[in-house]
Amino acid sequence: AQSVAQPEDQVNVAEGNPLTVKCTYSVSGNPYLFWYVQYPNRGLQFLLKYITGDNLVKGSYGFEAEFNKSQTSFHLKKPSALVSDSALYFCAVSQLGRRALTFGSGTRLQVQP
Amino acid sequence: EAGVAQSPRYKIIEKRQSVAFWCNPISGHATLYWYQQILGQGPKLLIQFQNNGVVDDSQLPKDRFSAERLKGVDSTLKIQPAKLEDSAVYLCASSFAPGELETQYFGPGTRLLVL
Repeated sequence: AQSVAQPEDQVNVAEGNPLTVKCTYSVSGNPYLFWYVQYPNRGLQFLLKYITGDNLVKGSYGFEAEFNKSQTSFHLKKPSALVSDSALYFCAVSQLGRRALTFGSGTRLQVQP
Repeated sequence: EAGVAQSPRYKIIEKRQSVAFWCNPISGHATLYWYQQILGQGPKLLIQFQNNGVVDDSQLPKDRFSAERLKGVDSTLKIQPAKLEDSAVYLCASSFAPGELETQYFGPGTRLLVL
């Protein structure tokens, strides 16, 4: 079985400050990890993914994520938050032989001006 | 490049009625997925197609839900009869190929309210 935990329902950060959205996972094999963002009344938009290689993955809109195998984490980060980053963020995992993505419950990011 | 298209965007029905949702994937994408997203939760896979064949429907409530992708392009998801707990957003996604490494691209979703 595979699972994802996003321990924070909401993260508040001031514009210009760095942001982190946390994600931990559980899989039996090597994980493939994804981050998606969802704006109101819109579908999920792909941000970035980790398959193998460099633990620091760079994605769209200045976001990056760090894969940490020992801590089974894949936290999403951005050096300087924008008000327009306010949205719902989902972490997801898959693994070899499991085609379906398993999503976390989501974290709402609120960036205050 | 056009994204994944879905219709309708919103639907309100009464319980025990039937409803159908339509999805048109990104051109050239062979794999199509239907997800159910209940308020406050992450999306959950209902069914996955590879071309017009079903790859995974293990989480599809087959007593009331059905889906087809007859020509390997468009897909329809049907609920008959609907229950109150079916109120959710139904998301369609597509990817170029099947597999764990492929990025899935999502449509805007259909928001269903069952009264």
